[in-house]
Amino acid sequence: NAGVTQTPKFRILKIGQSMTLQCAQDMNHNYMYWYRQDPGMGLKLIYYSVGAGITDKGEVPNGYNVSRSTTEDFPLRLELAAPSQTSVYFCASSYSTGVSYGYTFGSGTRLTVV
Amino acid sequence: RKEVEQDPGPFNVPEGATVAFNCTYSNSASQSFFWYRQDCRKEPKLLMSVYSSGNEDGRFTAQLNRASQYISLLIRDSKLSDSATYLCVVTAISNNDMRFGAGTRLTVKP
Repeated sequence: NAGVTQTPKFRILKIGQSMTLQCAQDMNHNYMYWYRQDPGMGLKLIYYSVGAGITDKGEVPNGYNVSRSTTEDFPLRLELAAPSQTSVYFCASSYSTGVSYGYTFGSGTRLTVV
Repeated sequence: RKEVEQDPGPFNVPEGATVAFNCTYSNSASQSFFWYRQDCRKEPKLLMSVYSSGNEDGRFTAQLNRASQYISLLIRDSKLSDSATYLCVVTAISNNDMRFGAGTRLTVKP
């Protein structure tokens, strides 16, 4: 099983550029999440989805958008990249809520905005 | 006050030592608790869930004190391979929103 697959692994963007971070899972999980992790900080939730066609904002959604057209895919869109969006982005999925199951994370995307 | 607070460390211990990490959380309505392990430049991986009665998995013991809003992780007989950052994770009011501590870094030395 591939688990949670994120692409690309690394990316450098110029200020104002756009990009989509891809996330796919093959575990038939209904819940999917996007987090960002800044150095020395905990992971912060950007957006989450409880199923295809349903998305909702997390703690730090500004500057990002998501869609969930299928159970497997949950892409994260940055429309106008800013230096403050330099971070490591993790996608995660789970069967249910966090209760007793925990999350499976992808290997991350390291994004630098210059 | 941060929602989930951990001592950032680093903790530097010799092989075979016993080491304990603590974590406090601010939301008394929190429902689920976990410890994750994160190796350098890697994704977090679930180490263990934390139950009210306390639980053990090999050399690892997790405890939860709801009254004090406090979670702990004890590692016995530390191995070099235990070197990592340990993240305390707490679910907020909605179980869709897990809050992560910044992590405690552990280095086990020969």
